[in-house]
Amino acid sequence: AAGVIQSPRHLIKEKRETATLKCYPIPRHDTVYWYQQGPGQDPQFLISFYEKMQSDKGSIPDRFSAQQFSDYHSELNMSSLELGDSALYFCASSFSLPSSYEQYFGPGTRLTVT
Amino acid sequence: AQTVTQSQPEMSVQEAETVTLSCTYDTSENNYYLFWYKQPPSRQMILVIRQEAYKQQNATENRFSVNFQKAAKSFSLKISDSQLGDTAMYFCAYIPASYGKLTFGQGTILTVHP
Repeated sequence: AAGVIQSPRHLIKEKRETATLKCYPIPRHDTVYWYQQGPGQDPQFLISFYEKMQSDKGSIPDRFSAQQFSDYHSELNMSSLELGDSALYFCASSFSLPSSYEQYFGPGTRLTVT
Repeated sequence: AQTVTQSQPEMSVQEAETVTLSCTYDTSENNYYLFWYKQPPSRQMILVIRQEAYKQQNATENRFSVNFQKAAKSFSLKISDSQLGDTAMYFCAYIPASYGKLTFGQGTILTVHP
């Protein structure tokens, strides 16, 4: 079965640079979520999109922005990177029917800021 | 605000034995869903088991079962016949039925010894 695809899997950037993370949800899933997991921490919700509209927002820095495109893939744009942005970034997708509350996670993008 | 608490930072168990991981949560919602996710060293987030709050029957998936106590807001995971491949970080997670943001507990590192 198709899974959530994230690219790139690993990314190394320097401070103050910009990074773009991409997420391709499971086919027919219309909702995408982004989570950030720091070293030794639990995943923290950043932002979500339903049908290309932002549906919820968590602890996402103003330096970050995201969007969902017409093909339902999503991109997380991160600017003015800081050392503290080094983390594993997960994308998850789900189908919005009332009984479809399960979120399926991608493999994550490991971002290292030096 | 919803919170999820896992009070056991680390647990260990001998292969083939049974272990129980604890989780408590706080919410004012009446309808919600609870999950246990497994994160092995690869750091992939894998859904282990789910429980709908409106169901009194405890969920079971092969060797994994839960003890869901709604009044006590407790949701423990029992792993029977532990296997070496069960070694991982385990996260308890919560979603209210009204929207899809996952809130995770701090995680429990489970080590299965041969």
